[in-house]
Amino acid sequence: QVKLVESGGGVVQPGGSLTLSCAASGFIFNYFGMHWVRQAPGKGLEWVAFISYDGSKTYYADSVEGRFTISRDNSKNILYLQMNVLRPEDRGLFYCAKGGRLETSNIDSWGQGNLVTVSS
Amino acid sequence: AIRMTQSPSSFSASTGDRITITCRASQGIGSYLAWYQQKPGKAPQLLIYAASTLQSGVPSRFSGSGSGTDFTLTISCLQSEDFASYYCQQYYSYPFTFGPGSKVDIK
Repeated sequence: QVKLVESGGGVVQPGGSLTLSCAASGFIFNYFGMHWVRQAPGKGLEWVAFISYDGSKTYYADSVEGRFTISRDNSKNILYLQMNVLRPEDRGLFYCAKGGRLETSNIDSWGQGNLVTVSS
Repeated sequence: AIRMTQSPSSFSASTGDRITITCRASQGIGSYLAWYQQKPGKAPQLLIYAASTLQSGVPSRFSGSGSGTDFTLTISCLQSEDFASYYCQQYYSYPFTFGPGSKVDIK
């Protein structure tokens, strides 16, 4: 079955950088688009970024555009989220999520999340 | 960006109740609407996609309807394991957006 395991989270100072990784298994990784979704403590879900199955297309939430970069390594079945110029409001649980073949496909599977804390 | 709203934001219900959660999009999204359930400390899980298609393995007491801008999630006979938060999400266009969530707790 689909398995998504995030890693790389931790504590970082405002203005700092962090890279999250998501190891995927149980499905043909290079066939599906992938997303990052975050959730601030006690708050709702916020979609962050998408990358197409081949990496040729990416989309971002306005709140992270220009600061975050989503990428993937289809040879290793790994999804990444490079986060720069982190702000306190970026803190939260970051979920890796599997989309469909098409860009406008729903998310159907989620990882367990990885916590990012931005604090001095 | 398409704005999603949900109502109610929270409410109490009893086991066996029939409940309905409403989701509204700020513009038409066809049937590009999914519903997710999230329990405390857990990742969300897909319940319904394409507004009304039940995800494999999801109990038939869950159902979805609607198209365009107005959608509903119905749980026909609430079970103890259904007390959770529910989110709608549009995937019609980027940026994808979620509703603020509806929390169902025990009366």
